[in-house]
Amino acid sequence: AQSVTQLGSHVSVSEGALVLLRCNYSSSVPPYLFWYVQYPNQGLQLLLKYTTGATLVKGINGFEAEFKKSETSFHLTKPSAHMSDAAEYFCAVSDHPNNAGNMLTFGGGTRLMVKP
Amino acid sequence: ETGVTQSPTHLIKTRGQQVTLRCSSQSGHNTVSWYQQALGQGPQFIFQYYREEENGRGNFPPRFSGLQFPNYSSELNVNALELDDSALYLCASSPGAAGGTEAFFGQGTRLTVV
Repeated sequence: AQSVTQLGSHVSVSEGALVLLRCNYSSSVPPYLFWYVQYPNQGLQLLLKYTTGATLVKGINGFEAEFKKSETSFHLTKPSAHMSDAAEYFCAVSDHPNNAGNMLTFGGGTRLMVKP
Repeated sequence: ETGVTQSPTHLIKTRGQQVTLRCSSQSGHNTVSWYQQALGQGPQFIFQYYREEENGRGNFPPRFSGLQFPNYSSELNVNALELDDSALYLCASSPGAAGGTEAFFGQGTRLTVV
């Protein structure tokens, strides 16, 4: 069974500082990896995803993540935090390559707080 | 192009009652997944429908059931509601069921069971 661990349920950074949100996964087959963002009282929006190919993935709003198979990690980074980045971030994994479903297993989430 | 819409946005039910939540998938999407997100937690997969057939199910009891219609909209039904069923229920549609396909989420239905 697959699982996702997000280290740090809360992360606080200053505006302009580096954002690093950690995600480790377990999967018995090559995984598909996702980062979603959730603003208060809203659904989830996809930031970026890794399926195959280049291990450094660029997403929306200046975020990027690197798939490291040896470390089973998919950490999310952004060079310079903005106040508008304050939200809940979820890492997710899917390991069904066929039409058996793109069911996602989510981590517990990391709340990012940005200080002025 | 309209996105994924869910109704109602909020709902209060009494323990033991039944509830139906609705989801309209994004145009061109034939796959709908349902997730339960308890307060302070990540979403948990309930089940998925692909072309009107259940295509996978998470660790939820049979009192959680669903349906997908020919227009690919979907319903989630929960019988014999329990207090622990209080959560945000998220619907996600996608243009296929293959792994790695992006899922587009609706705003969710906030269910409170009292």
